[in-house]
Amino acid sequence: SQQGEEDPQALSIQEGENATMNCSYKTSINNLQWYRQNSGRGLVHLILIRSNEREKHSGRLRVTLDTSKKSSSLLITASRAADTASYFCATDLMGGGGNKLTFGTGTQLKVEL
Amino acid sequence: GAVVSQHPSWVICKSGTSVKIECRSLDFQATTMFWYRQFPKQSLMLMATSNEGSKATYEQGVEKDKFLINHASLTLSTLTVTSAHPEDSSFYICSARALAEYNEQFFGPGTRLTVL
Repeated sequence: SQQGEEDPQALSIQEGENATMNCSYKTSINNLQWYRQNSGRGLVHLILIRSNEREKHSGRLRVTLDTSKKSSSLLITASRAADTASYFCATDLMGGGGNKLTFGTGTQLKVEL
Repeated sequence: GAVVSQHPSWVICKSGTSVKIECRSLDFQATTMFWYRQFPKQSLMLMATSNEGSKATYEQGVEKDKFLINHASLTLSTLTVTSAHPEDSSFYICSARALAEYNEQFFGPGTRLTVL
């Protein structure tokens, strides 16, 4: 399936450190999106990067996209305890017909004080 | 910003009963709404795509007679889990895509369904 693989599955860091999560996918995409989900809650859209873009920033977030390797990374700098959540990448497939998103397996991030 | 609500937030029901979950776009019109299911500590799996005024498109392996989807207006889609069983217990999340924002989906807060 197209479902993206994310690694690591879980990550625990200290507040102030940077957190990096990686996402790999299998087929060509229109864009790739990153979402955050607090436990038992809905998803919050973080950032969208189009297939012709290589890097994008939003506040403490930095996303890269390498279409040749079919991979993306999400970097959270200067992490805070409030960043503790699950993070998912989602791909909007080329020719997917209707903007269907396919979610990756997710990374559980825990930021400790 | 675009807000999507779901009702109820959580529901507990007996096996064999039907449960309806509502998804509303509060401040925008959504031509397309999506329904996802998420099991504990797992990713979201798309169940179906719902277009206003037409039949929903179900993903492979999702029973359309069990998960009835109605998208009667540009602001409301409903998912009815018919004859629910314990294995249907899950977190159901909807999302909505606005007319003008083709690439972005706005997600609801989710509905926790527990079938006893």
